[in-house]
Parts: sequence; C-alpha cells; structure tokens
Amino acid sequence: DIQMTQSPSTLSASVGDRVTITCRASQSMSTWLAWYQQKPGKAPKLLIYEASTLESGVPSRFSGSGSGTEFTLTISSLQPDDFATYYCQQYNSYLLTFGGGTKVEIK
Amino acid sequence: EVQLVESGGGLVQPGGSLRLSCAASGFTFSSYWMHWVRQAPGKGLVWVSRISSDGSNTNYAGSVKGRFTISRDNAKNTLYLQMNSLRADDTAVYYCARDPGYCGGDCYMDYWGQGTLVTVSS
Repeated sequence: DIQMTQSPSTLSASVGDRVTITCRASQSMSTWLAWYQQKPGKAPKLLIYEASTLESGVPSRFSGSGSGTEFTLTISSLQPDDFATYYCQQYNSYLLTFGGGTKVEIK
Repeated sequence: EVQLVESGGGLVQPGGSLRLSCAASGFTFSSYWMHWVRQAPGKGLVWVSRISSDGSNTNYAGSVKGRFTISRDNAKNTLYLQMNSLRADDTAVYYCARDPGYCGGDCYMDYWGQGTLVTVSS
C-alpha cells in the first residue's frame, strides 16, 4: 500500500493568512493525488484532483502543487469558511489511501 | 443535482450483520464506478470498497475482505454494502461516493453522501 503522511496534523492560523499543508507519499505516484475539505459532521468535499486541478466551484484561493512523493495544498488567504480538516488521497494504486488529515484551527 | 443518500446504519452486536444502501439520483448511475469510504469516530478517512459501473468488478480493503460485499442494482439506482462478522473496529460513519468516471475505478471521489453511522457494540 502507498502510505500518505500529512503535516502538520494541526495548524493554527488567522483569517487572511497564507496556509500550506504538505502530503508525502511512501513511493512515487506522478500526480495522482486529490485534496478534500471536511467540516464537522459533514461529508468530505473535493477541492483538487490530479495534484493541481481545481474542482469546479472551488474558490481560486485554493491551489495544489507537487508530483512524485511530495505535494502541497495552499490557501492563499484564509477565510472564515476554510476552518476545517483537510485530507489528501492517492489514486496511483488500486488500494486507495488517505492522509491522516490536517485540522486548520482559528488562532 | 447529484445526490447520494445512505441508509441502513445502526447498532449491531459483534459478529452480526448489516446491509447499507446508497440511493443515487441526478446522474446516470449505471455509468459510474462507486465507492464506500468509512470514518471511525474522531479519525481519518479509510477507503473500503469499489464496484464497477456494471457490477462485474469489485475490490476491497484488506481489513474487510471476506466479510464485506459490495453490490449494486442499476435498475434501482442503488449501491449496497453487505457487512458480515462485524467487529468493534468496524464502528464508523460509512459514506458512499462517486468515482468521476474516467479513471476506471482507480480514482478520487467527486460526490459524497452524508454518511450513515454503524456502531458495533454489545
């Protein structure tokens, strides 16, 4: 299985901050990576796929980059609606795996 | 509008069985691979199983293989997860999710249901 490691596990930030979350894969996987946002009690919401393609309707302050084993999700200017938990997911292998999550909290 | 609505969760004793359903609407269900993903209380997301658009191809995570069976009824636009020999560590919210349709199942998930809670406890 490809293991996905996210860092940090928790991040405290203020509205307007630039935020970066990292996801590292245990083996190289091209750009077969997605990012999701999940709020408490809600289903995950797709933000980005193929490492850098923004899903339709997702604000442009979200961006993704990376390839191989290291990937990043960046929120250029954190908004109140962005406080949530973020997960990466690889789909390079038929056994799909998620990162452990990064909780973005209000500072 | 794509909608996925899960049902069938509840409290079950260890060793028991439960069948989850996911009713799909707003898209051509028979054209899409579908997934089940679970999330234990306070924990992260874990992929459980996938099924091809025609139901002929299925895959499972190692932790559920041999105990869970995914299936679908395209005439009823419904996805199922039959869960047998349930254990305490199967306790989770179970989400059904749609594959975007061009990856052949090895993909991300573009739409998710609201989830149904399964609690395995005596």
